[in-house]
Amino acid sequence: DTGVSQNPRHKITKRGQNVTFRCDPISEHNRLYWYRQTLGQGPEFLTYFQNEAQLEKSRLLSDRFSAERPKGSFSTLEIQRTEQGDSAMYLCASSLPGRGSYEQYFGPGTRLTVT
Amino acid sequence: KQEVTQIPAALSVPEGENLVLNCSFTDSAIYNLQWFRQDPGKGLTSLLLIQSSQREQTSGRLNASLDKSSGRSTLYIAASQPGDSATYLCAVKYDYKLSFGAGTTVTVRA
Repeated sequence: DTGVSQNPRHKITKRGQNVTFRCDPISEHNRLYWYRQTLGQGPEFLTYFQNEAQLEKSRLLSDRFSAERPKGSFSTLEIQRTEQGDSAMYLCASSLPGRGSYEQYFGPGTRLTVT
Repeated sequence: KQEVTQIPAALSVPEGENLVLNCSFTDSAIYNLQWFRQDPGKGLTSLLLIQSSQREQTSGRLNASLDKSSGRSTLYIAASQPGDSATYLCAVKYDYKLSFGAGTTVTVRA
């Protein structure tokens, strides 16, 4: 499989619990992005990596959120002390490097429900 | 800050009719524009990518135009089918990230 994969696909958790999502990008892509999509809205940018370096974080990424990309391969997004407002679809994308014209390829997403 | 708007928010057409979906953006300094399809509860499927230097891109029944100076793109879907029912999102790439519109939800009635 040469596409972007995400696990788990669905996660239901209770408020206050910690959750972690994983994203595996396309193997030759060294740029990796996280987006969050709430119901009825388009995805919003959260953060991105070039190789293992986290180069930008959105103000949407509060202190409860942390993302890592050890060794520049897969990435994890952790949410601590989840709140009901964290319920959303978390999307991962990858691309070749550069500001320019390279397309971002998206994974199937992880749907988080906080009860 | 880049703002992306999609009009209309929802559209219902009979099968066979052509679809016209609109996207506007506020900052013309973009690298490219992508149109995506999203089925309920699913991820994003890329439909077309238009580079900033291009005016249009075609794939099968889909045609997308880009007028960067006026901050507009239009996605045309010819001879719509019930299988085209989905939400269509446009996204502009500026800096490193994509900025998305809220989407147009399309229903094609058989």
